[in-house]
Amino acid sequence: SAVISQKPSRDICQRGTSLTIQCQVDSQVTMMFWYRQQPGQSLTLIATANQGSEATYESGFVIDKFPISRPNLTFSTLTVSNMSPEDSSIYLCSVALTGRDQPQHFGDGTRLSIL
Amino acid sequence: QKEVEQNSGPLSVPEGAIASLNCTYSDRGSQSFFWYRQYSGKSPELIMSIYSNGDKEDGRFTAQLNKASQYVSLLIRDSQPSDSATYLCAVLERRDDKIIFGKGTRLHILP
Repeated sequence: SAVISQKPSRDICQRGTSLTIQCQVDSQVTMMFWYRQQPGQSLTLIATANQGSEATYESGFVIDKFPISRPNLTFSTLTVSNMSPEDSSIYLCSVALTGRDQPQHFGDGTRLSIL
Repeated sequence: QKEVEQNSGPLSVPEGAIASLNCTYSDRGSQSFFWYRQYSGKSPELIMSIYSNGDKEDGRFTAQLNKASQYVSLLIRDSQPSDSATYLCAVLERRDDKIIFGKGTRLHILP
């Protein structure tokens, strides 16, 4: 499986600011995803990061709040914009190596706290 | 309604016993099923994938799939304290071609 590096691992931010989270994979992958996991909860898919085109967002998530880039097959970023305390969560990058029907592998996550 | 259901637990199992974790899903057309283990404060780690009816064994872990009854289970033999974690069931729903995660079952192995 791929090695997935996610940065930063944690951050504490002020309300109203924005943070960009990076996800780097050591090999080319077909699919990259961004999830949110709130304390004690399961994983909620934010969007699928598409290489060279706009991300595909899930219901309840919008591009203005969570802009995503994927310039190539090994790298993606998620920005959490205009943060509020409700955005405090763990954000996870995942990849599927060859297709959507394959298992996903997760980065270590970014633990985000908003003051 | 897309759903992957798991008992939240905690499920307490004595060390050395068999832990049995269950998951049901709603999309009858689902074809791919996954079990993840998540330690507290860590990201999910893939344990097993299963695609066909029946059992699939990997070391102490056995995944069981019954598509007719729409359930998938994970058995952990000779449970160890290090198996204490939350286990997430994930199903690739054919309707939307997305992986849906259950809320997870917390497993506690008693020394």
